[in-house]
Amino acid sequence: KNQVEQSPQSLIILEGKNCTLQCNYTVSPFSNLRWYKQDTGRGPVSLTIMTFSENTKSNGRYTATLDADTKQSSLHITASQLSDSASYICVVSYTASKLTFGTGTRLQVTL
Amino acid sequence: NAGVTQTPKFRILKIGQSMTLQCTQDMNHNYMYWYRQDPGMGLKLIYYSVGAGITDKGEVPNGYNVSRSTTEDFPLRLELAAPSQTSVYFCASSRGTANTGELFFGEGSRLTVL
Repeated sequence: KNQVEQSPQSLIILEGKNCTLQCNYTVSPFSNLRWYKQDTGRGPVSLTIMTFSENTKSNGRYTATLDADTKQSSLHITASQLSDSASYICVVSYTASKLTFGTGTRLQVTL
Repeated sequence: NAGVTQTPKFRILKIGQSMTLQCTQDMNHNYMYWYRQDPGMGLKLIYYSVGAGITDKGEVPNGYNVSRSTTEDFPLRLELAAPSQTSVYFCASSRGTANTGELFFGEGSRLTVL
């Protein structure tokens, strides 16, 4: 069964600190992996999309890594800001119109 | 830039009532999708469309219907609402397939069935 598991479920960090969110997947055949940011009460917004051959991809203070061999991805957030408080969702694509969504990691950045 | 627009944002229905969630996009995307997001669960695909006049079922289509008469609009119809349909519904669109194209989501429609 295609599954995407994210950890931790929730995380609280101080503003300015770094953090790393994890994503493990069993989706096959793998096509690409995406990270989305979802603010409370809003729709998800794409942060990165990585294909099988990409190991690292950055979008500002967000850096995603992908290890297709171990089927793991991580999202690293550098110098966190209050506006980074959101849910971060890992999504793995395996067919033309089919995506498997993780349940997300809820991040809270505090002063 | 409007992007993907959903209406209504909130709605309360009684069991057995019907309603339509509206979705429109102004990016001329061929592909459109309806997802539902339940607490503690990942988004689940209800229906999708690869172009005007073409729709197909996703993972959880029971209790829903869709139509795609134009490129811009992709309404989701709930017939005989049930408490199990209480959820947040997201419409999304993409230029290419979900596999290759970036998904753009609407703001969501929160539906409660009592």
